[in-house]
Amino acid sequence: AQSVTQLDSHVSVSEGTPVLLRCNYSSSYSPSLFWYVQHPNKGLQLLLKYTSAATLVKGINGFEAEFKKSETSFHLTKPSAHMSDAAEYFCVVSELGSNYQLIWGAGTKLIIKP
Amino acid sequence: EAGVVQSPRYKIIEKKQPVAFWCNPISGHNTLYWYRQNLGQGPELLIRYENEEAVDDSQLPKDRFSAERLKGVDSTLKIQPAELGDSAVYLCASSPGYENSPLHFGNGTRLTVT
Repeated sequence: AQSVTQLDSHVSVSEGTPVLLRCNYSSSYSPSLFWYVQHPNKGLQLLLKYTSAATLVKGINGFEAEFKKSETSFHLTKPSAHMSDAAEYFCVVSELGSNYQLIWGAGTKLIIKP
Repeated sequence: EAGVVQSPRYKIIEKKQPVAFWCNPISGHNTLYWYRQNLGQGPELLIRYENEEAVDDSQLPKDRFSAERLKGVDSTLKIQPAELGDSAVYLCASSPGYENSPLHFGNGTRLTVT
């Protein structure tokens, strides 16, 4: 069975410092993994996705994530935080052959300090 | 391309009243999703359509919720009668329909039941 755990409900960083949002997953087969971002009062937007190609995935707005099968992790990173990155971030897992079932993490709220 | 359009943006109703939400997906997207998002949580799937067919409605509370996508394009989600616990953001998303294709979300409808 699939599951996804976002290890931090809130992450606070200073502007210009690195961002790390952690995500661990559980999947029986070949997972596809996604990160979505939700700015206040907005819909969700895809940041990046992993679907069994390169393990390091680059997304929009300077974000990237690395798929580590041995650690069952898909952490989201950014070298330098910007004020506009303040938002809620969701890690999502989908399993091959799961009939499009997406399992959503509970979300991590990213707070950027000036 | 035009994005997913939802209306209304906000809705406040008294309990036991009916309410309806409307969604127009991205043109050409066969798959349409309705999600409910409670404050501080990830989205929960209510129903998924492939064209006009509801292929996954296992999480839809069928005693009070109904949905339709008659011509396989826009969709309506209805609650009748609404309860206090239905207060949430209702999100509509669409996708091209191939497995692991990214979802494109509307801005949601924030429902408050008093």
